Amino acid sequence: DADVTQTPRNRITKTGKRIMLECSQTKGHDRMYWYRQDPGLGLRLIYYSFDVKDINKGEISDGYSVSRQAQAKFSLSLESAIPNQTALYFCATSDASGGETQYFGPGTRLLVL
Amino acid sequence: QKEVEQNSGPLSVPEGAIASLNCTYSDRGSQSFFWYRQYSGKSPELIMSIYSNGDKEDGRFTAQLNKASQYVSLLIRDSQPSDSATYLCAGGDSSNTGKLIFGQGTTLQVKP
Repeated sequence: DADVTQTPRNRITKTGKRIMLECSQTKGHDRMYWYRQDPGLGLRLIYYSFDVKDINKGEISDGYSVSRQAQAKFSLSLESAIPNQTALYFCATSDASGGETQYFGPGTRLLVL
Repeated sequence: QKEVEQNSGPLSVPEGAIASLNCTYSDRGSQSFFWYRQYSGKSPELIMSIYSNGDKEDGRFTAQLNKASQYVSLLIRDSQPSDSATYLCAGGDSSNTGKLIFGQGTTLQVKP
């Protein structure tokens, strides 16, 4: 089984809809991250969490919210989806005692019409 | 603003050649650097990490770090068509341990 899983893997939604992307990990890592990737722009950090009670905004948090339900689960919500949120979304994890290496989930491809 | 810069490419090399991928970073306090490989539509996969000045070798891959010049590189020897991918360089954020700053990636094409 994969260490970091994301659901759904693909999603098509309409402008104005609320959508949630979920991330689960079995690596036992305390840190989790949400990134979006657009062609030519690399990975941009949306939110990150260093433990269940610690949530931080990244460089592009506007229009997004997150919830850390447990050490192993970190969800990303788009409160009211808009077309320019169409992107590939990745969840990642890292271990505070293992340096800064991040391990990525398989990604969610989101299309907002 | 802290940045990691890469040439987006594409970098094209013939099969069997050495591919050289380069990266510069602005955060002078950064202590850790990473190279990820990303196939189209797939997630980034860690290839190498490097923390000290000099070279670090792992199989066909060699990472090089020069902190004085704020420069990181990845050499791929005996390049294979399966190495064709986008390579992301990342540096640790010195003001926030646990965060990485990613470059935009360099696309490598290895031609048979």
